[in-house]
Amino acid sequence: QVQLVESGGGVVQPGRSLRLSCGASGFTFSSYGMHWVRQAPGKGLEWVAAISHDGRSKNSADSVKGRFSISRDNYRNTLYLQMNSLRPEDTALYYCAKDPYKYTWGGGDSWGLGTLVTASS
Amino acid sequence: QSALTQPPSASGSPGQSVTISCTGTSSDVGRYDFVSWYQQHPGKVPKLIIYDVTERPSGVPDRFSGSKSGNTASLTVSGLRSEDEGNYYCCSYTSTNTLVFGGGTKLTVL
Repeated sequence: QVQLVESGGGVVQPGRSLRLSCGASGFTFSSYGMHWVRQAPGKGLEWVAAISHDGRSKNSADSVKGRFSISRDNYRNTLYLQMNSLRPEDTALYYCAKDPYKYTWGGGDSWGLGTLVTASS
Repeated sequence: QSALTQPPSASGSPGQSVTISCTGTSSDVGRYDFVSWYQQHPGKVPKLIIYDVTERPSGVPDRFSGSKSGNTASLTVSGLRSEDEGNYYCCSYTSTNTLVFGGGTKLTVL
């Protein structure tokens, strides 16, 4: 069965950096697009970034563009989110999610449990 | 990247049907058949219940159905059960190769 395990969250001062990882198993990782979605405490879901199966197509939300970068390593079956210049409003539970398709138009058909990022001084 | 518009709340009695709307624009919901719906219980991970506007993943009861007309997508839950109570989010692919979520609808089973 599909398993997605996020890691790398923690408490970080505003302006600092953090890298999240998402280890994937139970499916052919290199065949599917992947997403990062976040949820601030008590709030709704917000799409953050996505990357195609081969890493050639990627995009991110305006709220993180220029600060966050998504990447993947298909040999290590791992998805990454490099988060720079963190702001207090980036505080959220960060989920990785698998797209039903090679690209990133289908949303997330499987989700990890999430990793909590807190940007606070 | 404005969020899709959902009603903040919806409710129904057990056995009844309830429909949740999700309004976007001609650049997202109205342009692509890549609308998905997620169910989230408090403290739990979101679960995909509808994808590609009308498709149900295996294991999702056929009490859940999706549709779309113009810039508005809808989720209908028939034969309401207490376990259907929770938050529901719609999501659409957009013309800028991004995804956008709705603000969420809290469904209460009376």
